[in-house]
Amino acid sequence: DAKTTQPNSMESNEEEPVHLPCNHSTISGTDYIHWYRQLPSQGPEYVIHGLTSNVNNRMASLAIAEDRKSSTLILHRATLRDAAVYYCILRDGLGGGGNKLTFGTGTQLKVEL
Amino acid sequence: NAGVTQTPKFRVLKTGQSMTLLCAQDMNHEYMYWYRQDPGMGLRLIHYSVGEGTTAKGEVPDGYNVSRLKKQNFLLGLESAAPSQTSVYFCASTKRGTSLSNQPQHFGDGTRLSIL
Repeated sequence: DAKTTQPNSMESNEEEPVHLPCNHSTISGTDYIHWYRQLPSQGPEYVIHGLTSNVNNRMASLAIAEDRKSSTLILHRATLRDAAVYYCILRDGLGGGGNKLTFGTGTQLKVEL
Repeated sequence: NAGVTQTPKFRVLKTGQSMTLLCAQDMNHEYMYWYRQDPGMGLRLIHYSVGEGTTAKGEVPDGYNVSRLKKQNFLLGLESAAPSQTSVYFCASTKRGTSLSNQPQHFGDGTRLSIL
């Protein structure tokens, strides 16, 4: 499975945008880029995913580099409730092997007033 | 909206005891998964199932067994608990997508298991 690299931690102020980077230089053509987040004492929660084009949903935006070797999760206005561990995961779009997710250690986002 | 429900939420066992963790989903998902999460680490896949009556090993399957007798339930068993199995256990499910489509996994809130 292709690996991802994320910073261990980032800090943001409330109401400001947050850009969470992810490097995935060995990504294959059929790998989707998925983002999950895990709030304290909860299970992971799906945030967004994409293949080649930038994606937007009610939670966040995903910006994917043209060569697909990196991506950025964008929270447009961070709130205290966004403080969580954010995981960037590559997932084989061919669906083989049970569509498993391989979690790294993610980025711990701290949001301050 | 129940989604994925795990029982129990907390449990303390003594070394050598056995127990079963239950995961139930009401979304008619084909795929189900069991993960464990140790402090400061990401989730690691224990076992998974792509359909009723089928199971497969994940990254860390030793010491665990699973069964998927009904589509909506996925059971994780510890036959002889060991302190190394102290962890938070998460269950997840997902819909089987078509080729090149990707379905998100839906997670339960976890079972916190301590083995003394």
